[in-house]
Amino acid sequence: EAGVAQSPRYKIIEKRQSVAFWCNPISGHATLYWYQQILGQGPKLLIQFQNNGVVDDSQLPKDRFSAERLKGVDSTLKIQPAKLEDSAVYLCASSLQGLDVGTEAFFGQGTRLTVV
Amino acid sequence: AQKVTQAQTEISVVEKEDVTLDCVYETRDTTYYLFWYKQPPSGELVFLIRRNSFDEQNEISGRYSWNFQKSTSSFNFTITASQVVDSAVYFCALRSNSGYALNFGKGTSLLVTP
Repeated sequence: EAGVAQSPRYKIIEKRQSVAFWCNPISGHATLYWYQQILGQGPKLLIQFQNNGVVDDSQLPKDRFSAERLKGVDSTLKIQPAKLEDSAVYLCASSLQGLDVGTEAFFGQGTRLTVV
Repeated sequence: AQKVTQAQTEISVVEKEDVTLDCVYETRDTTYYLFWYKQPPSGELVFLIRRNSFDEQNEISGRYSWNFQKSTSSFNFTITASQVVDSAVYFCALRSNSGYALNFGKGTSLLVTP
């Protein structure tokens, strides 16, 4: 079974530029998550989709971050404009039944973003 | 509020030693799940175990074992006879039915040397 696919693996941009990340979840997984992991910290949830609807985006900085999952499968996360503090690893995860709090999430390898 | 504390930032052991990673959590919910994930240098978070709040039975899986104690709000992880391949960052996480997010601790970096 293929895992969660993310691209690109690495990205370096200058502050105030825009950037987009792509995620393809495990086939059949209805729930998709985007997490931000700053160096030395645990991942923090940015947004959770159930199919193509948003379940939780309370920690998404909506003035600069946006995410979509139009067809309920793959997803993109965009940052515009980027700030230095956005430097982090952006992890995508998916789970089979997201609204069941006991369901484990499966993670991709992440995109390491460096803002200079 | 929910919180996960992993007080040990870094642990270094010699191969074949046993090592315990501590996890203390806070939640007001009666129904919740606790997780452990492993993050090797490749960066991908690998699911290790899930435990629900109503099941305090300890679990063993090969060299790995978990000790869940609601009385002390702890969910500790022990690796027996550690190996170099166990070197990674380990995260404890909590999710309850008052929110959808997995709340992660800051992680414990484990280094196993030959």
